[in-house]
Amino acid sequence: GAVVSQHPSWVICKSGTSVKIECRSLDFQATTMFWYRQFPKQSLMLMATSNEGSKATYEQGVEKDKFLINHASLTLSTLTVTSAHPEDSSFYICSASPIENTEAFFGQGTRLTVV
Amino acid sequence: QKEVEQNSGPLSVPEGAIASLNCTYSDRGSQSFFWYRQYSGKSPELIMSIYSNGDKEDGRFTAQLNKASQYVSLLIRDSQPSDSATYLCAAGTGGYNKLIFGAGTRLAVHP
Repeated sequence: GAVVSQHPSWVICKSGTSVKIECRSLDFQATTMFWYRQFPKQSLMLMATSNEGSKATYEQGVEKDKFLINHASLTLSTLTVTSAHPEDSSFYICSASPIENTEAFFGQGTRLTVV
Repeated sequence: QKEVEQNSGPLSVPEGAIASLNCTYSDRGSQSFFWYRQYSGKSPELIMSIYSNGDKEDGRFTAQLNKASQYVSLLIRDSQPSDSATYLCAAGTGGYNKLIFGAGTRLAVHP
């Protein structure tokens, strides 16, 4: 299957700092990528749709100024958690598809811990 | 609000038995449905996809879709301890690859 890579796999940061998470499609181009967040013992919640060359679309309740998404190329989307706080500690996962309307492939996920 | 509902479990089955996982969805516009397996601390792994009413079999796994009832299920035959994980049901919305997930059902297969 297609390969989606996330980096870093885990990160610890101090409260008030910003953290950038990268999502790369390694063997295909993706005009659209999706960002999810998963709290312990809960399901994946869709945060936003990352669109190459245009603004991201955020789901209801997700602060666009706090979770900055940049999709500058067909193989890379980044999620920046700005002014992180302990309640932002979570598992962040991205997904992408090689062709429109096919199965989504997930990155390995990024475990963010804010202290 | 588009929703996908699953029984959180845990569902406990003996090794070799059939595990039956169920899911309902609220958005009648959803056209694609997926079952993912997720081990603790790991990213979801696609098990099955289904797009049409009826059954779809792949090895020990069978997915069933009933769009009239807005119901999706996954059967795992000859369950193994390695099948113990959380199974996530997802519905595709606004395109197959934008997914709304259920809360997941935790499956425990005991020897």
